[in-house]
Amino acid sequence: AQSVSQHNHHVILSEAASLELGCNYSYGGTVNLFWYVQYPGQHLQLLLKYFSGDPLVKGIKGFEAEFIKSKFSFNLRKPSVQWSDTAEYFCALKGGDMRFGAGTRLTVKP
Amino acid sequence: SQTIHQWPATLVQPVGSPLSLECTVEGTSNPNLYWYRQAAGRGLQLLFYSVGIGQISSEVPQNLSASRPQDRQFILSSKKLLLSDSGFYLCAWSGLAGRNEQFFGPGTRLTVL
Repeated sequence: AQSVSQHNHHVILSEAASLELGCNYSYGGTVNLFWYVQYPGQHLQLLLKYFSGDPLVKGIKGFEAEFIKSKFSFNLRKPSVQWSDTAEYFCALKGGDMRFGAGTRLTVKP
Repeated sequence: SQTIHQWPATLVQPVGSPLSLECTVEGTSNPNLYWYRQAAGRGLQLLFYSVGIGQISSEVPQNLSASRPQDRQFILSSKKLLLSDSGFYLCAWSGLAGRNEQFFGPGTRLTVL
């Protein structure tokens, strides 16, 4: 069975603070990993993805994520958040099927 | 470029009434298509997926059904809505070959009263 866990349900940060959102997965085979973002009132859109190669993946808007196979993790990071990063963030795993985490709501205070 | 449409954007229906939500994709052929329900704090739950016309796989037992009458059309239906069917429904597509990222539509907010 495959699963994805996002332990932070709601994160509140001030502008310019650093961000790290946790994502852990459970799957025994080769994985593709994704982070999606849903801005208020907008479509769910892809932020970044990992398939193979360099475990440090850079995405749009200054986000990056690191795949650590030994920890079954794919945490999302951004060194300095902006108010416009306020959104809900979903980690997803494609092993057999696509599985999404429960999401983390990020609120950035101006 | 590919686009995905869903309608209606919002819908309010009485308990026991039928449902039909439509999803269409443009700019690609033979996509994999998906229906998800998004619940607050629970992420996205896969309801149905389809790899081709007339081919539907159901992930969870439920009051809903899906159909794919055309290559780029995916419909979510119910004969009699329940209160518990209220939620936000998302349609997504992915390509058959290569990478497996999914692209999502704008969603439909369904309220059953």
